[in-house]
Amino acid sequence: KQEVTQIPAALSVPEGENLVLNCSFTDSAIYNLQWFRQDPGKGLTSLLLIQSSQREQTSGRLNASLDKSSGRSTLYIAASQPGDSATYLCAVKIQGAQKLVFGQGTRLTINP
Amino acid sequence: SQTIHQWPATLVQPVGSPLSLECTVEGTSNPNLYWYRQAAGRGLQLLFYSVGIGQISSEVPQNLSASRPQDRQFILSSKKLLLSDSGFYLCASEEQVNEKLFFGSGTQLSVL
Repeated sequence: KQEVTQIPAALSVPEGENLVLNCSFTDSAIYNLQWFRQDPGKGLTSLLLIQSSQREQTSGRLNASLDKSSGRSTLYIAASQPGDSATYLCAVKIQGAQKLVFGQGTRLTINP
Repeated sequence: SQTIHQWPATLVQPVGSPLSLECTVEGTSNPNLYWYRQAAGRGLQLLFYSVGIGQISSEVPQNLSASRPQDRQFILSSKKLLLSDSGFYLCASEEQVNEKLFFGSGTQLSVL
């Protein structure tokens, strides 16, 4: 059974710092991995999607990497801003299945 | 990109009452559709998914049901709500081409 873990559950950093969020998964037979952002009381917004054949994806100040062999993904946020404060979730799509398995998320706070 | 319409934003219902949540999708055709529930501190739980009209797969046995009467319409229902049905319900749509998942803004359901 695929399990996705995100540590830490919460993170607080000062504005301007670069930071890394971690995601680990137990079964390397994944189809793809997505990183999402969720603001309080809102739906999720897809940030980056990495196919199983890819190593990383970039969008603006965000860079996501994927290492299937070690069962890990990281989301790198450069030059953090208060507007980046949100909960970040990763999710893996299992090969041969329709569903995504989500981690519990990391609640990020950027302090001005 | 897609737009997911989900309503209402909040709903308070008594135990034993029926439920109908509707989700409609714009900007894509033949999407895979999903209903998730997010309980406080418990992450996202997949309830149902659909790969086409009339095709519903259930992930968790419970007193909820789903229907897909049209290509871009997905409905979550219950005949009699339980206290444990309280939570934040999210509809999601997955494009066939790039497989990104787009979420609606969610419905906060409180069963009292």
